[in-house]
Amino acid sequence: DGGITQSPKYLFRKEGQNVTLSCEQNLNHDAMYWYRQDPGQGLRLIYYSQIVNDFQKGDIAEGYSVSREKKESFPLTVTSAQKNPTAFYLCASSGDRGLDGYTFGSGTRLTVV
Amino acid sequence: GESVGLHLPTLSVQEGDNSIINCAYSNSASDYFIWYKQESGKGPQFIIDIRSNMDKRQGQRVTVLLNKTVKHLSLQIAATQPGDSAVYFCAEKRRSSASKIIFGSGTRLSIRP
Repeated sequence: DGGITQSPKYLFRKEGQNVTLSCEQNLNHDAMYWYRQDPGQGLRLIYYSQIVNDFQKGDIAEGYSVSREKKESFPLTVTSAQKNPTAFYLCASSGDRGLDGYTFGSGTRLTVV
Repeated sequence: GESVGLHLPTLSVQEGDNSIINCAYSNSASDYFIWYKQESGKGPQFIIDIRSNMDKRQGQRVTVLLNKTVKHLSLQIAATQPGDSAVYFCAEKRRSSASKIIFGSGTRLSIRP
């Protein structure tokens, strides 16, 4: 079945450590996105990529980094510079060069301990 | 700036009744609108979308209405069931370019037995 997979589902990180969240899709979608969601709030865009080897900052990119070396993969690294990283992270993808709606993964809940 | 807002953050509905979730948008250039459903701990799921050349679209138990004059969008859920309990997000986009989707803050729908 085609879909978008995020792993792990739960992740714990010590303060000062970098951690990488995985996002893989087999939908042949060009565009991929990372969102952050805090409790009771909406989605805030961290980074997005509309094509391989290219990505742009979203609204809250500080403290995060991404890469897009393959069409299927868009990993997100939460660095130690991110002051409040505990949140629910959602990855999404979109076909047709981002002209249509998004398909979301099931999310990764990151907790800093 | 661009924004997609919601009239009510929470909505409580009796099981079996119809639910109406409202959304206002501010960007008159938006021409594509989407409703997503997010259950607790999961990623948002696509429910239904509508282009600006339409004012109504129906799916299975759901109907989206678009009023471009007042920049208002609504989602109607017929015969609300316990499984409809979730947060519902409206989202808007300008389909004329590969622009990003802008999400509203969400409405939490709860079902009374």
